[in-house]
Amino acid sequence: EVQLQQSGAELVKPGASVKLSCTASGFNIKDTYMHWVKQRPEQGLEWIGRIDPANGNTKYDPKFQGKATITADTSSNTAYLQLSSLTSEDTAVYYCASQAYDYDGFAYWGQGTLVTVSA
Amino acid sequence: DVVVTQTPLSLPVSFGDQVSISCRSSQSLANSYGNTYLSWYLHKPGQSPQLLIYGISNRFSGVPDRFSGSGSGTDFTLKISTIKPEDLGMYYCLQGTHQPLTFGAGTKLELK
Repeated sequence: EVQLQQSGAELVKPGASVKLSCTASGFNIKDTYMHWVKQRPEQGLEWIGRIDPANGNTKYDPKFQGKATITADTSSNTAYLQLSSLTSEDTAVYYCASQAYDYDGFAYWGQGTLVTVSA
Repeated sequence: DVVVTQTPLSLPVSFGDQVSISCRSSQSLANSYGNTYLSWYLHKPGQSPQLLIYGISNRFSGVPDRFSGSGSGTDFTLKISTIKPEDLGMYYCLQGTHQPLTFGAGTKLELK
């Protein structure tokens, strides 16, 4: 069964950093792109960026450059999203999603990780 | 950035209705190879988004045939025939042709 298992909810202080994980089972992340998507409370979906775990190449929405860093560890079949200098604007649910090379849909999604930024 | 304008924002329905949701992009989503990357998702409360349609009109595995996608260039449509209770939720389109990728604002399919 294909599954993306994300790490648990985080409560972090303003100015801190956090690293979220997304572990795949049932497929090899080296055969896909791994994306990260943000959803703030009562808001729509925002694409943050993606990584090609086969070569480490990344692409980001420019508004997340300096805020988000996406990495992957193929030995553990896991993608990561690190968020830095957190503010209340970063309070959101963060989803990982996989996309096969040969079509454009985000076929599989993690369950989401809630990040709450609060003093 | 490519702006994707999704309409309507809210769509009150009755079970059994047929409805359409539109996404219009600020520039053509056809790339230089002739491929168009436009996908549709359903996001239900408390769940993760689920892929319905990719590449404009291809249903993802397990998606019922009452969901269909069409369009080209800058205009795209998701049609849902014979709405069922499990179809209620937020629908999003996503353009994957141009960087950065951009979602439509979403359409809330809800009961009248």
